[in-house]
Amino acid sequence: SQQGEEDPQALSIQEGENATMNCSYKTSINNLQWYRQNSGRGLVHLILIRSNEREKHSGRLRVTLDTSKKSSSLLITASRAADTASYFCAGQGGSEKLVFGKGTKLTVNP
Amino acid sequence: NAGVTQTPKFQVLKTGQSMTLQCAQDMNHEYMSWYRQDPGMGLRLIHYSVGAGITDQGEVPNGYNVSRSTTEDFPLRLLSAAPSQTSVYFCASSYIGQNEQFFGPGTRLTVL
Repeated sequence: SQQGEEDPQALSIQEGENATMNCSYKTSINNLQWYRQNSGRGLVHLILIRSNEREKHSGRLRVTLDTSKKSSSLLITASRAADTASYFCAGQGGSEKLVFGKGTKLTVNP
Repeated sequence: NAGVTQTPKFQVLKTGQSMTLQCAQDMNHEYMSWYRQDPGMGLRLIHYSVGAGITDQGEVPNGYNVSRSTTEDFPLRLLSAAPSQTSVYFCASSYIGQNEQFFGPGTRLTVL
């Protein structure tokens, strides 16, 4: 079964605004990863946060992890039209296997 | 580096036909995996491998076989295609040790 559930399923914002996507997961994890998928393409890794970390930054990305609530959030600041894509969270437990959520489809309008 | 490559990009099969989806990586990754992506379902793990000669089942393995004779290649075989296998298939690879995974461009398969 899916590990993560992203919220919202779809998000439409204007260029320059911030976009926040949330992910909840069911079982314990060692890390949580976020991936981006442009339409018709493969997934690209964005950021990995380990279970002992609470927050991590990478450029315009900010990820938080709350293991007590089994949730994570991805914030994209100052969004651009090029950020239009689907975003997936994926939990990794005691093995190499990733368990993906269903994704959030982000549209950034110019 | 070419990264993770997949062939073919598109394929149409008739029910009952067999075929092999190819996946190769040139990063010397130990871990390789196959996912299928269906609308509104995210990615689901079909099979995975932690090294040559070692494979295991994921969440949705029925109807698919895999083998891993080399580090580089991890083909996915559909023995008798069914319409329920219409999907987009992604191969991914990574180093062992809980790292980011690298994805191929995908194969879009339609079974009529």
